[in-house]
Amino acid sequence: DAGVIQSPRHEVTEMGQEVTLRCKPISGHNSLFWYRQTMMRGLELLIYFNNNVPIDDSGMPEDRFSAKMPNASFSTLKIQPSEPRDSAVYFCASSLEVGSGRNEQFFGPGTRLTVL
Amino acid sequence: RKEVEQDPGPFNVPEGATVAFNCTYSNSASQSFFWYRQDCRKEPKLLMSVYSSGNEDGRFTAQLNRASQYISLLIRDSKLSDSATYLCVVNRGGSYIPTFGRGTSLIVHP
Repeated sequence: DAGVIQSPRHEVTEMGQEVTLRCKPISGHNSLFWYRQTMMRGLELLIYFNNNVPIDDSGMPEDRFSAKMPNASFSTLKIQPSEPRDSAVYFCASSLEVGSGRNEQFFGPGTRLTVL
Repeated sequence: RKEVEQDPGPFNVPEGATVAFNCTYSNSASQSFFWYRQDCRKEPKLLMSVYSSGNEDGRFTAQLNRASQYISLLIRDSKLSDSATYLCVVNRGGSYIPTFGRGTSLIVHP
């Protein structure tokens, strides 16, 4: 299995630009998570999908952030407009089934975002 | 009190040493617990799940203390390759939504 795939791996953009991060979960996994990691705040859960449906988006910082999962094999996290404080590493993770009692998560390699 | 708390370290130990990390959690209804390992500039990877009865995987032992609401990770015979950040994960009580601790940094030196 290829594991969780994220693109791009690195993104450098200017303040005010739109940024779209992409994720392909492991085939057969029903749950998908988006995280943001910074030195100051550690690893924060932004949003979680189960069977393509957003279940908990309480971690999404503000309206500038949005996430979609149009099908079981693809998700996007969009930031519009981007700000320098959005600079972080964004991870996508998938798990077999939340609620199964184990639900170990498998992480993608992350997207390192820098907003100038 | 934070949902999940860990001592950030760093723990600086010589090869061959035994080192233990604790992680406390605030929600007594939490049901699932894990330890993840994260190498510098890499993604977190599952190290081991933590079961109620405690579990061992080679040099690693994980334990859960529900009464005191903490989990622990014991590493015996430390190797240089064990140097990493160890993240404690607790699923929020009543759900399976994970909360990550800030991590404990371990440095194993020759």
